Amino acid sequence: EAGVAQSPRYKIIEKRQSVAFWCNPISGHATLYWYQQILGQGPKLLIQFQNNGVVDDSQLPKDRFSAERLKGVDSTLKIQPAKLEDSAVYLCASSLDREQFHYEQYFGPGTRLTVT
Amino acid sequence: SQQGEEDPQALSIQEGENATMNCSYKTSINNLQWYRQNSGRGLVHLILIRSNEREKHSGRLRVTLDTSKKSSSLLITASRAADTASYFCATDSQGGSEKLVFGKGTKLTVNP
Repeated sequence: EAGVAQSPRYKIIEKRQSVAFWCNPISGHATLYWYQQILGQGPKLLIQFQNNGVVDDSQLPKDRFSAERLKGVDSTLKIQPAKLEDSAVYLCASSLDREQFHYEQYFGPGTRLTVT
Repeated sequence: SQQGEEDPQALSIQEGENATMNCSYKTSINNLQWYRQNSGRGLVHLILIRSNEREKHSGRLRVTLDTSKKSSSLLITASRAADTASYFCATDSQGGSEKLVFGKGTKLTVNP
């Protein structure tokens, strides 16, 4: 079974530029998550989708971050404009179906973003 | 905000020894999960324990949950150098959005 795919793996941009990350979850997984992990900390949930609907985006800085999940499969996370404090690893995860009590999350390798 | 807090922040042991990591949390939970993260890589799910369970085993892993103390422990027996990683507890809280909230992790080093 293929895992969660993410691209790019690394990205370096200057502040005020924009950047987009892509995630392809495990086939058949209804729930998709984007996390931000700052060095030395645990992952922080940015947004959670159930199929193509948003379940939780309470910690997403909506003035600069946006995310969408087209047709309930792939997802993109965008930052525009980027700030220095956005430097982090962005992790995508998926789970089979949270509403059916499948809670284990499967993580992709992440995208390491450096904002200079 | 962090829900789970792991203790210790860092742990260094010799191969073959046991490693114990603890996690404390603040609010009532549906379940608690442990994840491992190797350097520079994504997280891997290790084990899930539900709020009505007290102990669970998976291979060399043993997890306990004490809901009265709002704490959990992860025991790795007969550790190997390959167990070197950061270990995170994550809680799935009752009520609210029930999102998974991770702690800051315990960095485990197993010396050969």
